[in-house]
Amino acid sequence: GNSVTQMEGPVTLSEEAFLTINCTYTATGYPSLFWYVQYPGEGLQLLLKATKADDKGSNKGFEATYRKETTSFHLEKGSVQVSDSAVYFCALIVYNQGGKLIFGQGTELSVKP
Amino acid sequence: GAGVSQSPSNKVTEKGKDVELRCDPISGHTALYWYRQSLGQGLEFLIYFQGNSAPDKSGLPSDRFSAERTGGSVSTLTIQRTQQEDSAVYLCASSLVLGSLNNEQFFGPGTRLTVL
Repeated sequence: GNSVTQMEGPVTLSEEAFLTINCTYTATGYPSLFWYVQYPGEGLQLLLKATKADDKGSNKGFEATYRKETTSFHLEKGSVQVSDSAVYFCALIVYNQGGKLIFGQGTELSVKP
Repeated sequence: GAGVSQSPSNKVTEKGKDVELRCDPISGHTALYWYRQSLGQGLEFLIYFQGNSAPDKSGLPSDRFSAERTGGSVSTLTIQRTQQEDSAVYLCASSLVLGSLNNEQFFGPGTRLTVL
């Protein structure tokens, strides 16, 4: 079946630190990969995506590269801010199996000033 | 409307009661999805609709759960004879079409269900 595994949190960093949140997947088809973010008190929103191998998704200083050989889609940011404190979800869709998102467990990030 | 809306935002019910959760998708979006976010299970898919039909009901956890969509717009998720393990945040999302590579799902704020 299809599944997503991401590193457990919570992750606590100081402002301007480098962030990596690991995400690996298994899929029976060719997935598209996503990172969603849930800020405190807000709904889930798409952060970035990649639809084929070696694509790099980027947004708001965050980046993730679709690595087919390692089945990974790690989220990185060079310098985090307090406002990045949120829960981050890695997810996949295999479109020829329908449109449902398969999510990882979520990683809570807390950035201290 | 401007985004996906869900009602109620919070629902507290007693074990054994039925509840109905409502989702209003973004106008013009033909695909609609229900997910559940709970402490033990994370974010899990429940059901999706393309128009008024539901080709994939595989995520519904039991036959106490059902969903319908009428007029290709509003959807209702019904949970009968609620149990404490049904306590979770129920999220609704919509997208322009189903099964397209450039097809973002937009999420509503969720309904927090608490079963006492």
